[in-house]
Amino acid sequence: AQTVTQSQPEMSVQEAETVTLSCTYDTSESDYYLFWYKQPPSRQMILVIRQEAYKQQNATENRFSVNFQKAAKSFSLKISDSQLGDAAMYFCAYRRGFGNEKLTFGTGTRLTIIP
Amino acid sequence: EAGVTQSPTHLIKTRGQQATLRCSPISGHTSVYWYQQALGLGLQFLLWYDEGEERNRGNFPPRFSGRQFPNYSSELNVNALELEDSALYLCASSSLDSSTEAFFGQGTRLTVV
Repeated sequence: AQTVTQSQPEMSVQEAETVTLSCTYDTSESDYYLFWYKQPPSRQMILVIRQEAYKQQNATENRFSVNFQKAAKSFSLKISDSQLGDAAMYFCAYRRGFGNEKLTFGTGTRLTIIP
Repeated sequence: EAGVTQSPTHLIKTRGQQATLRCSPISGHTSVYWYQQALGLGLQFLLWYDEGEERNRGNFPPRFSGRQFPNYSSELNVNALELEDSALYLCASSSLDSSTEAFFGQGTRLTVV
């Protein structure tokens, strides 16, 4: 069974600084997708960034980027120029790469932005 | 385009009662997923429906059940409610395109007293 581990229950960062959230996963599959979701106090889960396992290039979305280390099964999220609106719970998630498979989530990291 | 909608937003039930939660997926999405998010915890997978069939089930007792209707909307039923069933229940939908992420609703907050 696939597992996703987030070892940082809480993180904080000064506004405008950079922060990295860690995620590791375990799978025997070769084809899969990895995601970072953000859950603000409104409870709405919002996709931040997606990485296809077959792509060697790390995904980037504006201020958000990932460091995908397939051999190490590591998938960290870097947030640059942190903004107050980035404060939220961040969940790392895994999905097998075929069909319409379910997502497996980590336990989340609560990110606080210090003004 | 309307997103995933869930109803009700909040639900308060007494221990032993039954709860029914509803989810309408994004138009064109055939898969619906249910997750339980207990306070301070991550999302635990409950059920996955696709094309009207249950495709997968998480490690939950049989009193958690559901169905998917021909229009792809879905119901989650929780029988014989227990206090520990109090949680946020999130519904998500996706299409068959394997590169498409799951889109989430805003959830139903179930409180069992």
